[in-house]
Amino acid sequence: DTAVSQTPKYLVTQMGNDKSIKCEQNLGHDTMYWYKQDSKKFLKIMFSYNNKELIINETVPNRFSPKSPDKAHLNLHINSLELGDSAVYFCASSPRLETQYFGPGTRLLVL
Amino acid sequence: AQSVTQLGSHVSVSEGALVLLRCNYSSSVPPYLFWYVQYPNQGLQLLLKYTSAATLVKGINGFEAEFKKSETSFHLTKPSAHMSDAAEYFCAVSAFSNTDKLIFGTGTRLQVFP
Repeated sequence: DTAVSQTPKYLVTQMGNDKSIKCEQNLGHDTMYWYKQDSKKFLKIMFSYNNKELIINETVPNRFSPKSPDKAHLNLHINSLELGDSAVYFCASSPRLETQYFGPGTRLLVL
Repeated sequence: AQSVTQLGSHVSVSEGALVLLRCNYSSSVPPYLFWYVQYPNQGLQLLLKYTSAATLVKGINGFEAEFKKSETSFHLTKPSAHMSDAAEYFCAVSAFSNTDKLIFGTGTRLQVFP
């Protein structure tokens, strides 16, 4: 069983489209995160939810909207996609204030 | 505020040689420090972590790191490199405060030559 899973694994889309990435964890963790890895491999936190409550919201364009329907899921919706949104998006989860475990990543390419 | 600096974006070693990947941190509070490894087209896997217990931390795959407060360093070492160690390595710091986020370094790509 995959502990932190993401769908889709690859996403190729046109500028201006709206897309969603889904994340699920079966570890029973309270906290989930979204990180963005750019083309230079730099990783940066975007959002964090604890028990469905938003606790971290870094300087991210408001075209990005996370949604946590329950504590096992954290989805990322992106409106009006831009070329600069091309990146690898990683979901992670952890018990509160503990080690984070990462999903396999979603590779987004905006054309 | 916290930050991490990884010296050397690329490190090349021969199989069987010592691996040394450097990480220096800056933190206004006692830090928690991590090394993650990323194999090509995969997610991040935790190698080891320091959480204020023993300063010498042993991780998976024969890696270890030593926390040196006086040098603000947390370098990753492995006595003998294996071809399968070729990957991207990331050092990260966290305050485990209410923000509970990882601040990553820019990564070091390790190449292992036969």
